[in-house]
Amino acid sequence: SAVISQKPSRDICQRGTSLTIQCQVDSQVTMMFWYRQQPGQSLTLIATANQGSEATYESGFVIDKFPISRPNLTFSTLTVSNMSPEDSSIYLCSVEVDRAADTQYFGPGTRLTVL
Amino acid sequence: DQQVKQNSPSLSVQEGRISILNCDYTNSMFDYFLWYKKYPAEGPTFLISISSIKDKNEDGRFTVFLNKSAKHLSLHIVPSQPGDSAVYFCAASGAGNMLTFGGGTRLMVKP
Repeated sequence: SAVISQKPSRDICQRGTSLTIQCQVDSQVTMMFWYRQQPGQSLTLIATANQGSEATYESGFVIDKFPISRPNLTFSTLTVSNMSPEDSSIYLCSVEVDRAADTQYFGPGTRLTVL
Repeated sequence: DQQVKQNSPSLSVQEGRISILNCDYTNSMFDYFLWYKKYPAEGPTFLISISSIKDKNEDGRFTVFLNKSAKHLSLHIVPSQPGDSAVYFCAASGAGNMLTFGGGTRLMVKP
C-alpha cells in the first residue's frame, strides 16, 4: 500500500488566480495520476505524471491550464491556472503501486471552490 | 491508516459465475458508498452506489450490499462476463462529500 497526502485539503480562491496542489507519497512510485471530480460526476483523469518525463494529458486538458511538476519519485504538484468557477471541484492524486495488479491508491483530495 | 480497504488485490472467476468483491471501512461517519470500474490506461468510471440508509442496491447484473454493523460492503456481479475484467475500486464519503478510496481489486473473468 501507499500513504498519500495532499495539500491543501481545501481552498476558496478568486477567479483569475492560480492554485498549486501538492501530492506527497510515503514511498517511491513511478506513475502518479491527477483526477478531477466535479459535483455529481465521476472521476475524470486529467493527466499522468511520470518522473523524468513530461506529463501526459487527457483529451480536454492542456498543460497551460493544468501545469504539472514531478521532480522526484515521491512528489508531484498540479497547478490550476487562471481559475474560473467551472474549476470548482475535488482534485485527487493517485499512485500506481503494483503495475502487475493495476491497482492504485488515492490521496484524500483537495476541495477547490472558485468564486 | 487506510479507512477503506480492499483486502483482495485480485480475483479470478469463470464466465457465467458470480463475482464477489469485498470492501471494509473503519470510519462510521461514512454515509455513501460507491464502486468504480477501471480499465487499463483509463480513469475509473462510476458503476453503482449505495446510501447508508439502504442495505442493498441493484442495477442489472450488479448488486451492492452494505452491512453497516460490520462496516463491510460487497459488489456482486452475476453472471460474470469477460468484459467485466477490470480493476474495481470501492469508495466512501461522509460529510463534505470527499471520497476515500480502497486500493482496488483486479477481477479476471475467464471465458
